[in-house]
Amino acid sequence: NAGVTQTPKFQVLKTGQSMTLQCAQDMNHEYMSWYRQDPGMGLRLIHYSVGAGITDQGEVPNGYNVSRSTTEDFPLRLLSAAPSQTSVYFCASSIAGPGEQYFGPGTRLTVT
Amino acid sequence: SQQGEEDPQALSIQEGENATMNCSYKTSINNLQWYRQNSGRGLVHLILIRSNEREKHSGRLRVTLDTSKKSSSLLITASRAADTASYFCATHNNAGNMLTFGGGTRLMVKP
Repeated sequence: NAGVTQTPKFQVLKTGQSMTLQCAQDMNHEYMSWYRQDPGMGLRLIHYSVGAGITDQGEVPNGYNVSRSTTEDFPLRLLSAAPSQTSVYFCASSIAGPGEQYFGPGTRLTVT
Repeated sequence: SQQGEEDPQALSIQEGENATMNCSYKTSINNLQWYRQNSGRGLVHLILIRSNEREKHSGRLRVTLDTSKKSSSLLITASRAADTASYFCATHNNAGNMLTFGGGTRLMVKP
């Protein structure tokens, strides 16, 4: 199993651009989530999904959209990038609900 | 705001010593989890303790949970240089399906 994969690893955007961060898992996990981690800080939950077709907002959802059309994929869309969205983004999954999470390697995003 | 807060924020010890990190949280929980993050990497799950459990062990790790004080501790015994990392607690509260992380403890183990 590849586990949780994220692409791209690094991305630089200009203010106002949009992009999609990809996340996929091959473990048939129902629960998937997106976090952002700012320097020297913990993770903050952006959006999560308890199963295909179901998404919900986390602590810091503004400026981000998600969809869950399949069990495997959970893309995160930045609608109009802002410098405040410069961060490292982690995707995670678990069998069901927020139990033991398996994390992807992260995407380092810089918005200039 | 973050549910869990770790203490201390940073800890430096010698190899072979024990390391203790604490986590406090604010609301009733379903479970509490500890994760490790090596620099620049994703998080790795260490241990999950449910609200009806008081203590759990995994190898050199020992986690305690005191729901009356809304606190947990992670003890790493006989630390090694490879234990150098940041450690985070995360809580699943009873109100929903969110996992909320604390700010972490940066542990340095000197050889």
